[in-house]
Amino acid sequence: DAKTTQPTSMDCAEGRAANLPCNHSTISGNEYVYWYRQIHSQGPQYIIHGLKNNETNEMASLIITEDRKSSTLILPHATLRDTAVYYCIVRVADSNYQLIWGAGTKLIIKP
Amino acid sequence: GAVVSQHPSRVICKSGTSVKIECRSLDFQATTMFWYRQFPKKSLMLMATSNEGSKATYEQGVEKDKFLINHASLTLSTLTVTSAHPEDSSFYICSAALRGYTDTQYFGPGTRLTVL
Repeated sequence: DAKTTQPTSMDCAEGRAANLPCNHSTISGNEYVYWYRQIHSQGPQYIIHGLKNNETNEMASLIITEDRKSSTLILPHATLRDTAVYYCIVRVADSNYQLIWGAGTKLIIKP
Repeated sequence: GAVVSQHPSRVICKSGTSVKIECRSLDFQATTMFWYRQFPKKSLMLMATSNEGSKATYEQGVEKDKFLINHASLTLSTLTVTSAHPEDSSFYICSAALRGYTDTQYFGPGTRLTVL
């Protein structure tokens, strides 16, 4: 079973920041938080990952709470092309550990 | 960087034929590759883990004789669906682990298989 909880769906206005929450209350000390997204009929796209510090890259920012039991993915200026299913996954940072996919959050960006 | 390609992107075949899908890491070497399948409106399901130069590890319920996986080099893994049937119609996706501090997986664009 997936070890994360995400809202089923969210809407966001184009140009605004999209904030996607994720709960992972049972996360272990050696597990990272990964975010991927999947646009319809495409393979998943890696977005960002982090352990305990906040992370930022060209796509998004990842905010992890101090107790690491939840996190938020922030898309700073959402565009229509950001409409996708977003997956929050916790995983030990080793390729021997598989990604466990939940249902994700369907994010719809509205004009 | 970290680009993974798949070929073909779409294939239609007759029942009973075999189909080969290629997965390549274009700009990095991947000692571990993964094969997933995805049914409409469902999440990805891991089929097998493939390590270069060794036999693939299949998930429970996945027939290893039906889904043949070969990982002959650090940049190429293939999935062959043998004697395909309509129930094998699905979206097949590969990923490759970029070996490093966190072994992040990068995904290919997927292959849509339709068996008539």
